Amino acid sequence: EIVMTQSPATLSVSPGERATLSCRASQSVSSNFAWYQQKPGQAPRLLIYGASTRATGIPARFSGSGSGTEFTLTISSLQSEDFAVYYCQQYNNWPPWTFGQGTKVEIK
Amino acid sequence: QVQLVESGGGVVQPGRSLRLSCVASAFTFSNYVMHWVRQAPGKGLEWVAVISYDGNNQYYADSVKGRFTISRDNSKNTLYLQMNSLRAEDTAVYYCARHRDSTSWYSSLDSWGQGTLVTVSS
Repeated sequence: EIVMTQSPATLSVSPGERATLSCRASQSVSSNFAWYQQKPGQAPRLLIYGASTRATGIPARFSGSGSGTEFTLTISSLQSEDFAVYYCQQYNNWPPWTFGQGTKVEIK
Repeated sequence: QVQLVESGGGVVQPGRSLRLSCVASAFTFSNYVMHWVRQAPGKGLEWVAVISYDGNNQYYADSVKGRFTISRDNSKNTLYLQMNSLRAEDTAVYYCARHRDSTSWYSSLDSWGQGTLVTVSS
């Protein structure tokens, strides 16, 4: 099973600032990798797939990079609606499809 | 607009059974691989099970293998999760989710239901 490890667990950022979230896979997942956003009481929402492709309707301030075992989600200028928990996921080696433990982006 | 609506959650005693349903609309359900993903209270996302577009292939997380069964009825646009021998650690919100890419198993999940809460408690 591939283990996904996210860092940091919590990121405190001021509105308008840049946020950088990391995810590491225990072995290569190529570019079969996604990022999700989840707000309290809501279902997860797909942000990025294929490591760097924004999903439909996702603003350009969200960008993904990386391949293999190291991945990054960057939010260029945090808006109030971006404060949430972010999960990474690999879909290269399955089953199981595995998620990271999440990074909470909170207001500084 | 793709819509997935789960139902069937509730409070159940340990050892008992429950069946969840997920009704899909606004897309060709029979073309897509479908998943169940769960989230325990205050915890992260845990993948549970997946089923192929035609129902012929299923895979399960080790934590539910032998106890849970995923199935689908394409004539009713409905996905199911039969949960037997429930344990306290199965307490979670259960989401159904759709594969983004209908042509490949290597895909993210692009549409999610709102979830249904299952509480296993005596």
